[in-house]
Amino acid sequence: AQSVTQLDSQVPVFEEAPVELRCNYSSSVSVYLFWYVQYPNQGLQLLLKYLSGSTLVKGINGFEAEFNKSQTSFHLRKPSVHISDTAEYFCAVSDQLQTSYDKVIFGPGTSLSVIP
Amino acid sequence: DAGVIQSPRHEVTEMGQEVTLRCKPISGHNSLFWYRQTMMRGLELLIYFNNNVPIDDSGMPEDRFSAKMPNASFSTLKIQPSEPRDSAVYFCASSLDRSSGNTIYFGEGSWLTVV
Repeated sequence: AQSVTQLDSQVPVFEEAPVELRCNYSSSVSVYLFWYVQYPNQGLQLLLKYLSGSTLVKGINGFEAEFNKSQTSFHLRKPSVHISDTAEYFCAVSDQLQTSYDKVIFGPGTSLSVIP
Repeated sequence: DAGVIQSPRHEVTEMGQEVTLRCKPISGHNSLFWYRQTMMRGLELLIYFNNNVPIDDSGMPEDRFSAKMPNASFSTLKIQPSEPRDSAVYFCASSLDRSSGNTIYFGEGSWLTVV
């Protein structure tokens, strides 16, 4: 069974500063990895996902993430954050077994607060 | 596309009352999920449907919870009787098919408060 750890529950950062949100996963099989964002009073929406190929994945709003298989990590980064990036960020994993359905396991979330 | 549509957006009910949450998935999507989000437990998958058939309901907390999907465009999650600990945000989500790696699209949630 898979699991996802997000080491930081809250990350405050000043506007225009870089940010990294950490995600580690555990799984006995190959996985797909996702980052979702949840703005206040809204549902989750996909930021980016890693399925295969290049380990550096670019998403919406200037975010990117790098898959590191040896460290079982999928950290999310942005070089310069904006006030509008204030939100909850969820890392998620699902396995690549063809017989498996979309059982996506979500991490506990990291609350990003951008300070003016 | 209108996205995943949930109703009601907010509901306040008294303990013991029946609560029904409704969901219309994105047209053409054949996988539907119900999630519950709380501060204490985070985001939990309650039940998953594929082609209107319940595939995994292992996340349904107890017999007070039931979910149905009578057709491809409608699903309900019912709590009877409701309890204060059921207070949470309930999300419905859908995706295109059962292949792993597909994006899951979430509705805006139904905010349930049981007093």
